[in-house]
Amino acid sequence: EDQVTQSPEALRLQEGESSSLNCSYTVSGLRGLFWYRQDPGKGPEFLFTLYSAGEEKEKERLKATLTKKESFLHITAPKPEDSATYLCAAQAYSGGGADGLTFGKGTHLIIQP
Amino acid sequence: DVKVTQSSRYLVKRTGEKVFLECVQDMDHENMFWYRQDPGLGLRLIYFSYDVKMKEKGDIPEGYSVSREKKERFSLILESASTNQTSMYLCASSDPHEKLFFGSGTQLSVL
Repeated sequence: EDQVTQSPEALRLQEGESSSLNCSYTVSGLRGLFWYRQDPGKGPEFLFTLYSAGEEKEKERLKATLTKKESFLHITAPKPEDSATYLCAAQAYSGGGADGLTFGKGTHLIIQP
Repeated sequence: DVKVTQSSRYLVKRTGEKVFLECVQDMDHENMFWYRQDPGLGLRLIYFSYDVKMKEKGDIPEGYSVSREKKERFSLILESASTNQTSMYLCASSDPHEKLFFGSGTQLSVL
């Protein structure tokens, strides 16, 4: 059974304090690893897709990386507006299209001014 | 800008009522999805559709049905609402790269 585990469940940082969120996955042949951001009361918003080990993608203060077993979302010098829940999802080759996504439960990130 | 619109932000219904949740996308996407999101359980796929008139069961279809009469519209139906269906419901569509675009969600309370 495909599984995605995110850690920590919650993280509180001071503004400017860099850190990383972890997404460990077990899927039978990874087709893609997705990161989403979700603000309170809203639907998730796409951030990145990673396809192969060693791949990295960046957007402003966020950088996503991928290994054969896990993905990290690095947050550099975060600001209060980076506060959100970050979700990762793994897609297996056997899972078809977007219906084959397995989501983690998310990391709730709070950045204090 | 890409948009998925869910008709209601909040809904309160009684046990046993038939409930319709409507979703419309304006991106001409083939694929549409319904998820529910519960604290501690994450996102779970209820139903999805890859074409008009087509529907497939997701991981938790029991107690739900769907309708897709037009490409842009995907409806979720709770035939007889129960208290364990109180949840946040999220509609999404996906592009050819399987990137999901979500609506803002409907918070449904069944009393």
